[in-house]
Amino acid sequence: DSGVTQTPKHLITATGQRVTLRCSPRSGDLSVYWYQQSLDQGLQFLIQYYNGEERAKGNILERFSAQQFPDLHSELNLSSLELGDSALYFCASSVEAGANYGYTFGSGTRLTVV
Amino acid sequence: SQKIEQNSEALNIQEGKTATLTCNYTNYSPAYLQWYRQDPGRGPVFLLLIRENEKEKRKERLKVTFDTTLKQSLFHITASQPADSATYLCALPPDSSYKLIFGSGTRLLVRP
Repeated sequence: DSGVTQTPKHLITATGQRVTLRCSPRSGDLSVYWYQQSLDQGLQFLIQYYNGEERAKGNILERFSAQQFPDLHSELNLSSLELGDSALYFCASSVEAGANYGYTFGSGTRLTVV
Repeated sequence: SQKIEQNSEALNIQEGKTATLTCNYTNYSPAYLQWYRQDPGRGPVFLLLIRENEKEKRKERLKVTFDTTLKQSLFHITASQPADSATYLCALPPDSSYKLIFGSGTRLLVRP
């Protein structure tokens, strides 16, 4: 157990639907990062939050949004889902805004869009 | 364009040998570089961080080098074991923001 908790572990949904992925960071970590991993794309950075504020953005689609709550957990919302959104979604956390000490990753949410 | 390149072909070695994996980057000037291990279907696990002013870093059987002139990092596993079989990813900060960009990884297979 890495200390980063992601739920649900698996999600199967239809095209056009909306889903919410949840992440609880490791105790004491203020930064949360979201990554998408598909077979042909590798780990793609989506977005980072630090202590409730958005700090960095990657090539996150407009259909996707995220937030970090006062208790530091984060949610990634994916809407108008397409087949191509099927992937593993990872959340990671770190102790500070930078990554000087490495990220701790969760076990991921496997999203399948049918 | 900016790129992080890791050998996409799997590295297949005999148990007990040293595995050497390469990470090359283009058009980045990272202050540090990190290496992670990822097993199938699992999240990456942080292994080592090396800063731009460090030539080499060691941790048990792992050694990482960082050559900012060549824009390359080498990752070594000495006395490799079948349990070392996994995909190894390098990652770096692409700019002054706090995100990490990952290479696509190299799969290592250690034969008993």
